[in-house]
Amino acid sequence: GQQLNQSPQSMFIQEGEDVSMNCTSSSIFNTWLWYKQDPGEGPVLLIALYKAGELTSNGRLTAQFGITRKDSFLNISASIPSDVGIYFCAGMEYGNKLVFGAGTILRVKS
Amino acid sequence: NAGVTQTPKFQVLKTGQSMTLQCAQDMNHNSMYWYRQDPGMGLRLIYYSASEGTTDKGEVPNGYNVSRLNKREFSLRLESAAPSQTSVYFCASSEYRGNTEAFFGQGTRLTVV
Repeated sequence: GQQLNQSPQSMFIQEGEDVSMNCTSSSIFNTWLWYKQDPGEGPVLLIALYKAGELTSNGRLTAQFGITRKDSFLNISASIPSDVGIYFCAGMEYGNKLVFGAGTILRVKS
Repeated sequence: NAGVTQTPKFQVLKTGQSMTLQCAQDMNHNSMYWYRQDPGMGLRLIYYSASEGTTDKGEVPNGYNVSRLNKREFSLRLESAAPSQTSVYFCASSEYRGNTEAFFGQGTRLTVV
């Protein structure tokens, strides 16, 4: 089946620092999605990417759909304490099968 | 705005018992999904339904069955629960074409003893 490799597995950063995480796949996706999950909640969509090369921002978050369609990255600028949580990448292939990476746990030191 | 509603929120089962997890969405979405989440393993796809009337296996379908009852509802059944099925289960839905963003329910925490 599809394999999504998400890195890093966890990050412990200082408040105000920028954060970068990425996802790579063994196969091509037609959509990349980035989600955040808070404890006890379901994942919430942050950014959706639909075209290879697309760069999309949502406030302090920026994500890009890789040119090869096999990778994506998410940047968070000037991190704040409420950014803590688990961030997931997800890829959707033709036929609407949606698969997820293992997640990046973000912890912020204030 | 209900979105995706899952029931129950918590459940404890004994090994060998059966149960059905219910999921309903009110966004008129065509596609629905069931995932399980285990520590360090992210969200693994159990089954999905790309559109009403179709279901397909995901990565980890063994021990589960699903029913797409209608466009709104997609249920997940454990026929004979095993401790390995202790997990948090999430249901999600998305449009089929165009807007493919998936929206999640709040999860069902299942413990099999």
